Amino acid sequence: NAGVTQTPKFQVLKTGQSMTLQCAQDMNHEYMSWYRQDPGMGLRLIHYSVGAGITDQGEVPNGYNVSRSTTEDFPLRLLSAAPSQTSVYFCASSIENTGNQPQHFGDGTRLSIL
Amino acid sequence: QKEVEQDPGPLSVPEGAIVSLNCTYSNSAFQYFMWYRQYSRKGPELLMYTYSSGNKEDGRFTAQVDKSSKYISLFIRDSQPSDSATYLCAMSAYDWDSGGSNYKLTFGKGTLLTVNP
Repeated sequence: NAGVTQTPKFQVLKTGQSMTLQCAQDMNHEYMSWYRQDPGMGLRLIHYSVGAGITDQGEVPNGYNVSRSTTEDFPLRLLSAAPSQTSVYFCASSIENTGNQPQHFGDGTRLSIL
Repeated sequence: QKEVEQDPGPLSVPEGAIVSLNCTYSNSAFQYFMWYRQYSRKGPELLMYTYSSGNKEDGRFTAQVDKSSKYISLFIRDSQPSDSATYLCAMSAYDWDSGGSNYKLTFGKGTLLTVNP
């Protein structure tokens, strides 16, 4: 049972480059989300999706784009990388977003922007 | 004032000690209260969840919620070196701004705990 799988685990980019962080879950969860975790800032929600074809913005969406074409996959795109986007990115999924469902997290992508 | 406040520590205790981790919150709309544990270089994992005031026990772990004081705690009894991790409190409330059936989950910044053998 793989759970939530994130790739790559590490990435170094130059300012202005674009890339896609991959996230896949095999639990048939409807709700998926992306967070970034920075020292002293905690986990902050970037974008989320309540089901295939439906996405919405979280707390810190600027500079990021998402799509949800299948239930399993929820990629996060950095359009033009900036040093401020250096962070650890976590993808999470849950059965649904009813407030009391556990969020299942991947192990993160550590991203450095030079 | 942040919606959820959590002392970042770090907290260092000897093996066998009782550990108390705490969060305060300002939003009275929070309905569900959770504790996540995050090991180094791993994603958070749900440790405990509760929705009412009072205590909930699971083995060596006890989650306590006091809605009147807007205060939640996690107690770890007989702490072990394997408990060394970052502990994040999390709370959810209905997100009226989302326009749909959606809850907003807010995390504390996490407390780094080290249990020394």
